[in-house]
Amino acid sequence: AQTVTQSQPEMSVQEAETVTLSCTYDTSENNYYLFWYKQPPSRQMILVIRQEAYKQQNATENRFSVNFQKAAKSFSLKISDSQLGDTAMYFCACDNTNAGKSTFGDGTTLTVKP
Amino acid sequence: GAVVSQHPSWVICKSGTSVKIECRSLDFQATTMFWYRQFPKQSLMLMATSNEGSKATYEQGVEKDKFLINHASLTLSTLTVTSAHPEDSSFYICSAKGQGHLETQYFGPGTRLLVL
Repeated sequence: AQTVTQSQPEMSVQEAETVTLSCTYDTSENNYYLFWYKQPPSRQMILVIRQEAYKQQNATENRFSVNFQKAAKSFSLKISDSQLGDTAMYFCACDNTNAGKSTFGDGTTLTVKP
Repeated sequence: GAVVSQHPSWVICKSGTSVKIECRSLDFQATTMFWYRQFPKQSLMLMATSNEGSKATYEQGVEKDKFLINHASLTLSTLTVTSAHPEDSSFYICSAKGQGHLETQYFGPGTRLLVL
C-alpha cells in the first residue's frame, strides 16, 4: 500500500519570508510521480508543482521548489518570498502509474501573516 | 493548463431526492476521472475512479447503488447521489487525467451539497 505523511498540520510564516512544508511517502513502485497541490479558501485544488521520480533534478516553479530525496522518500516544498495569497491548505500526493490513482497526505494549513 | 469544470457549484435538496453532478474536461480528453468527497479541513477521500466507456471502480466502503457514476465520453463524467440523506451533505470534487499530462490530476471547483 502507498502512504503519504504530512507531519505538520498547521504552519505560519511572515510575508516575504521562506517556509518549508514536509512530506514523506512510501511506495514499492519504481515509476511514480509526486505532487504538491494547494487548496485556498475557495476550495479549488490547484497544482503547485510536480516531480517525476526518475528525474534527479528538483522541480522548480517560480517561488516554489521541492527538495526531492528519493532514497529517504522525502518530498518537501519550499515557498520563497511568501505572499498573502499563499495562505491555503497544501496537500502532498503520490501517484504511481500501476495504481492509476493518487494517495494524498492529510494536508498542512499554511497561514501567511502580514 | 488543463481546465475542469463542475456543475452545479451549490445544490440544496430535500431528503430522498436524487442529485446529479457533472464534471467536464474543457480542453483535453480525460482518459480517467475521479470523484472525491471532502469534509471541512480534511483530506480528499477518493470515492471512485472511472474510465471512459467502462464501469467505475469504487473504493472500499462506498455504496455503488448510492453513488452512481457514469463516464459516457472522454470529456464528461457524472455523479448521481441517489435518495440523498443529510449524511450525504458534503463537498464533492471531481478530477481528470489525460494523456500527455504526466499522471497529473486537474480538479474541478467542487460542488457543495446540502441535504435537508
